[in-house]
Order: sequence, then C-alpha cells, then structure tokens
Amino acid sequence: EADIYQTPRYLVIGTGKKITLECSQTMGHDKMYWYQQDPGMELHLIHYSYGVNSTEKGDLSSESTVSRIRTEHFPLTLESARPSHTSQYLCASSDPLTSGEQYFGPGTRLTVT
Amino acid sequence: KNQVEQSPQSLIILEGKNCTLQCNYTVSPFSNLRWYKQDTGRGPVSLTIMTFSENTKSNGRYTATLDADTKQSSLHITASQLSDSASYICVVSDRGSTLGRLYFGRGTQLTVWP
Repeated sequence: EADIYQTPRYLVIGTGKKITLECSQTMGHDKMYWYQQDPGMELHLIHYSYGVNSTEKGDLSSESTVSRIRTEHFPLTLESARPSHTSQYLCASSDPLTSGEQYFGPGTRLTVT
Repeated sequence: KNQVEQSPQSLIILEGKNCTLQCNYTVSPFSNLRWYKQDTGRGPVSLTIMTFSENTKSNGRYTATLDADTKQSSLHITASQLSDSASYICVVSDRGSTLGRLYFGRGTQLTVWP
C-alpha cells in the first residue's frame, strides 16, 4: 500500500467558494501529479511537479493552481469553484527507481452546487 | 495520435469464472504497459508492469500478456472473486519525455456476481 494521502475524501461546496485539496506523500518522491477523472472516463493530467518549487500544467486545461513548497506536499487550489469543476481529483507520486511507477492517493470527490 | 483503447467497456461474470480484458494502444515510442485496478471511489492500484521485452507477467490470479508487435495487451483473471469487481485500467508509458508520459485507457468495468 502506497503512503499517499488526500483530504478531504468528499467535498460538497457552493459556487464561488475557494477550496484547497490536500495531497501528501511520505515516500520522498520528487515527482507528483494531479489527475482529473469523470465517471467512466480516463484520467487526465492537469498538473505535475518535478520537485520543490517546480510546477507545470498538464494536458487538460484546468482553472486550478498548485504549489510545491515541500517535497511531501502538493496542494491543489480552486479560487472560485463552479459546477463544471465537479469531478474526482486524484493525486499521485512516482519513484524513478521503479520504472516511474505512479502511486495514487484515494482521491477527492468534489461536487460544486 | 497516442491512444489506449480498452474492451469491453463493461463485463459481468459469475464468481469463480475466468475472464480476459483487452487493451490496444498506439503509443510510440513505447516504454512500458501497466494494468491498474481501481475500486469505486478509490485511486488506481498497480497490478502488473511490462516492458518491451516481456510478453507475460503474473500477479496471483492476474496474468497480463503483451504483444509489442501488434501493440496489444490482455489481462486474464482466473477464478474470479467478488472482490475483483472494479475498473481495470490499461496505462501505457512513452519514452519520449523525461516526465514518462502516461496514456490511460477508459477502463473495463468488471462486475462479479455471486
């Protein structure tokens, strides 16, 4: 079992609110990722980081932002939530020593009303 | 265009039966192929990983095969259990970037009935 954690697991929030989804890993991995997944659809990469102070946008355009101040912490923030942001958000980290195997957190199910 | 296609989209089998899930990909240059199991409301968990030179790999009741020439992979589940009910996702990695870009299939939703 990978040591990667996400909080909250479920979040229902009103339109216009600012939210932060937390992701932490205790494996010392440099690379971390955020994916967005809708029901029955594939995972889409929205942000990634090579290490501290490194953040990049992924393939799917997202209004969210991320920060990487500490190796173990990679939070995702939405300044003003909208119903279109309703989705599952999965955080992952990878270890280059294992062919880049990505370890996923349990996910945050976000619903914006 | 790099793509990963999985079939069937969904599958229902009875407990104890075997099943095979398919994955076709067009990702190039190819690095490795992984099968993940994703339980409802959870993150994906890796089952197997295969590189170009490997054509079969087992993990308990799960056996994955890879034909790099035809760009096809399969995941065979033996003696299915109720706990096997989940989405099975095929993921292909390319060698074209330092990020190790992953391409995800949409998954096969497997339901095992008692």
